[in-house]
Amino acid sequence: QVQLVQPGAEVKRPGSSVKISCKASGGIFTNYPIHWVRQAPGQGLEWMGSIVPRFGPSKSAQKFQGRLTFTADESTGTAYMELNSLTFEDSAVYFCLSGSCLADWGQGTPVTVSS
Amino acid sequence: QAVVTQEPSLSVSPGGTVTLTCGSSTGPVTSGHYPYWFQQKPGQVPRALICETTHRQSWTPARFSGSLLGDKAALTLSGAQPEDEADYFCLLSYPGSRYVFGGGTKLTVL
Repeated sequence: QVQLVQPGAEVKRPGSSVKISCKASGGIFTNYPIHWVRQAPGQGLEWMGSIVPRFGPSKSAQKFQGRLTFTADESTGTAYMELNSLTFEDSAVYFCLSGSCLADWGQGTPVTVSS
Repeated sequence: QAVVTQEPSLSVSPGGTVTLTCGSSTGPVTSGHYPYWFQQKPGQVPRALICETTHRQSWTPARFSGSLLGDKAALTLSGAQPEDEADYFCLLSYPGSRYVFGGGTKLTVL
C-alpha cells in the first residue's frame, strides 16, 4: 500500500483557484492512476477525474471540464489538482486516491470558499 | 453523464442480512463497470471494501460480499455488526475511464 499525503486546509476567495498536492510515500509513483474525489459537507462522494502520472493522460468529469487541471511531477512523486473559478459550491474536502482497488487514500484537504 | 443510484438509507438488525444495490441510468450494471464499494464512518476517510464486483480487500470482513444482482451491483452484509453502521458508496467505471459515484446508502444497525 502507498501512503498519499495531502496538505492542510485552504481558504479561497470566489473566483480564485486552488491547487492541491498529493505526494506518494517514498516519492515514487506506482503505475496506477491517481484519482481525485471531493465531498461537500454532509454530502456524498464526487469523482472529479484522474491522471496516470507516468504517462500523462488525464480524464475529468464533464461538469469540471474547462476549469480542472491535473499534473504530476515524477521527480518528486507528487500529483496536483488545480480547480479554477471557484464558487461557494466548491467548498468541500478533496481527496486523492490510487492503488489496486482504489485502496490508497490521502487524508483529504478541506477547501473553504468564502468571501 | 450517467447517474448511479443507491438506496438512500437502509436498516438491519444485529446479526441480520441486508443487501445494498447500485444501479446505472445507462442500463444494466455489468462486470465491465468494475463496481467498487467504499465504507465511510463519520469523520473518517472512506475505505475500499470491494472492487471489480467481488474482490474483497484484505481488511474487508468476510461478512461483506459483492455481486451482480439482476441489473445492479450489490453489496451484501451477512451477520451485521454494530460497527458496520456507516455510509456506503458504490463507484462505477464508464467508457473513457470516467467514473461516477452513487449517492450513498446510510446503513443503520439497530
